[in-house]
Amino acid sequence: GAGVSQTPSNKVTEKGKYVELRCDPISGHTALYWYRQSLGQGPEFLIYFQGTGAADDSGLPNDRFFAVRPEGSVSTLKIQRTERGDSAVYLCASRAGGTGNEQFFGPGTRLTVL
Amino acid sequence: AQTVTQSQPEMSVQEAETVTLSCTYDTSENNYYLFWYKQPPSRQMILVIRQEAYKQQNATENRFSVNFQKAAKSFSLKISDSQLGDTAMYFCAFISYNTGNQFYFGTGTSLTVIP
Repeated sequence: GAGVSQTPSNKVTEKGKYVELRCDPISGHTALYWYRQSLGQGPEFLIYFQGTGAADDSGLPNDRFFAVRPEGSVSTLKIQRTERGDSAVYLCASRAGGTGNEQFFGPGTRLTVL
Repeated sequence: AQTVTQSQPEMSVQEAETVTLSCTYDTSENNYYLFWYKQPPSRQMILVIRQEAYKQQNATENRFSVNFQKAAKSFSLKISDSQLGDTAMYFCAFISYNTGNQFYFGTGTSLTVIP
């Protein structure tokens, strides 16, 4: 079956611009996560959705970052007034069932802010 | 807060040999899960193996096995009969059973399998 997909795969933008990154989770997966991975680092948690609601957004670095999941499936990560420090790979993952189950990751979106 | 430490930034192994990747973690919780994920150059994170903290038996998955030492908070990954396709970044990860909202990842170990 289809895995987690993310679009675009690469995004180049200029400092100060607004960007949206999309995640299509595996159908039926109620849990959805966003992570940010900087070069040479492990993924860093940003936000977790259970269904439509953001159950934990404690990893969002500041109020320029926002994510939605209006129908409990597709999610969009939105970054306002992008800064060069936002350049990273943004990973999405989804999970079925309980906490200890496998998270299935998408291929990521590489964001470059010039 | 939970932390995960991988102290080996890079490792290499000859094809068909065995290699062990180290991971330690810090938590005050008793119920949690530990994972090893593999990230090849394609960026796609792939689950290698998973361990439930309440299980004493070490998890195994074909050529991959773990040495889980709960008291020492250690969770190493052993890869037997290394293959060229095992070349990748390997990340150790922790998630709490009670507050299972976030994976805590280590900084990764870059493994190269040499033909």
